[in-house]
Amino acid sequence: NAGVTQTPKFRVLKTGQSMTLLCAQDMNHEYMYWYRQDPGMGLRLIHYSVGEGTTAKGEVPDGYNVSRLKKQNFLLGLESAAPSQTSVYFCASSYSWGLDEQFFGPGTRLTVL
Amino acid sequence: GENVEQHPSTLSVQEGDSAVIKCTYSDSASNYFPWYKQELGKRPQLIIDIRSNVGEKKDQRIAVTLNKTAKHFSLHITETQPEDSAVYFCAAPYGSARQLTFGSGTQLTVLP
Repeated sequence: NAGVTQTPKFRVLKTGQSMTLLCAQDMNHEYMYWYRQDPGMGLRLIHYSVGEGTTAKGEVPDGYNVSRLKKQNFLLGLESAAPSQTSVYFCASSYSWGLDEQFFGPGTRLTVL
Repeated sequence: GENVEQHPSTLSVQEGDSAVIKCTYSDSASNYFPWYKQELGKRPQLIIDIRSNVGEKKDQRIAVTLNKTAKHFSLHITETQPEDSAVYFCAAPYGSARQLTFGSGTQLTVLP
């Protein structure tokens, strides 16, 4: 099993450009998450999904959109990238909510110039 | 997030010594407390977790203790080794949706 995978691994954008980050998991998990990681600030939840077709806002949702059209995929979109969105983005999934291990993807390093 | 405070932010120990990282949380309803380890350039991975019905849990050289009254929990690593060098994150559920909120991380360096 591949676990949780993310594409791309690296990306450089110019301010105002758009992009989509793809997360895929093969563990049949219901719950999926998008986090951003910035130096000294830990992992902050952007959006999450409790099942196919559902999404919800996390701690820092502004400037991002998400979709969960298939159970195994969770997409994170940036419609108009800003330098403040320069970060490392991690996707994660879990079997259950709140009391279970989250499995993380390898991360995407995004730089917005 | 502000719900979880983690200290210290950096910690250096000599190989073979013990390391302790402490987290405090604000939501008294929190009932699950995991610890994740993140090596340089890698993804976070769960190393140990504890639920609120127990006060301590051990797994070889790693242990976690929980004090629900004081609302804090700690990670203890004994007989540290160079491969223990990493960033460690604590987390706790928070908010109406009980989503995990992570501490800001502790950079542990084990000196040979």
